Amino acid sequence: DSGVTQTPKHLITATGQRVTLRCSPRSGDLSVYWYQQSLDQGLQFLIQYYNGEERAKGNILERFSAQQFPDLHSELNLSSLELGDSALYFCASSVGIGAGTYEQYFGPGTRLTVT
Amino acid sequence: AQTVTQSQPEMSVQEAETVTLSCTYDTSENNYYLFWYKQPPSRQMILVIRQEAYKQQNATENRFSVNFQKAAKSFSLKISDSQLGDTAMYFCAFTQAGTSGTYKYIFGTGTRLKVLA
Repeated sequence: DSGVTQTPKHLITATGQRVTLRCSPRSGDLSVYWYQQSLDQGLQFLIQYYNGEERAKGNILERFSAQQFPDLHSELNLSSLELGDSALYFCASSVGIGAGTYEQYFGPGTRLTVT
Repeated sequence: AQTVTQSQPEMSVQEAETVTLSCTYDTSENNYYLFWYKQPPSRQMILVIRQEAYKQQNATENRFSVNFQKAAKSFSLKISDSQLGDTAMYFCAFTQAGTSGTYKYIFGTGTRLKVLA
């Protein structure tokens, strides 16, 4: 158990809908990262927040947005869902922001299925 | 743009033997970090080992070690005394500082390793 929690574990929804994925980082961690892993593929970095502020952006679609709240939990919002958005979405957290300096701890992931 | 390439989609090894997974990357920067992550069937991502580019000494964690060749931009993972629990997908990952102190993380497509009894 990494200490990072993600809810829900599974989510099934229809095309065109909107969903919210939630992540609670490890106690004391200020950085949160979101990744997308499509079937049998590597992880695509989406976005990073540090202490409530967006700090790095990867290949995140405009239909996707995220935020980190004062209690440091983060939410990833996915809208106008398409079949291709079906994937495993991981959240990770780390103590600080220095690239590679701090180990990222991954949550168990949320499996999103768009039908 | 930075890229990470894992050219071995699948590999297998006999229990107790040694196996090496390959990873190459491309960057024009000098300061960066490299990682190997393990993803077992449970799908949990687990950090196996980390290497700082400025360190010449190869990182080692118990049965796991890396061969970091900076000039060749190569970062291979060696697993010694393979165990059944090592069966997993292994991802090579890269990160460096971007502009304004931002950090982008790039993962390879993974190598599926199966340890045979």
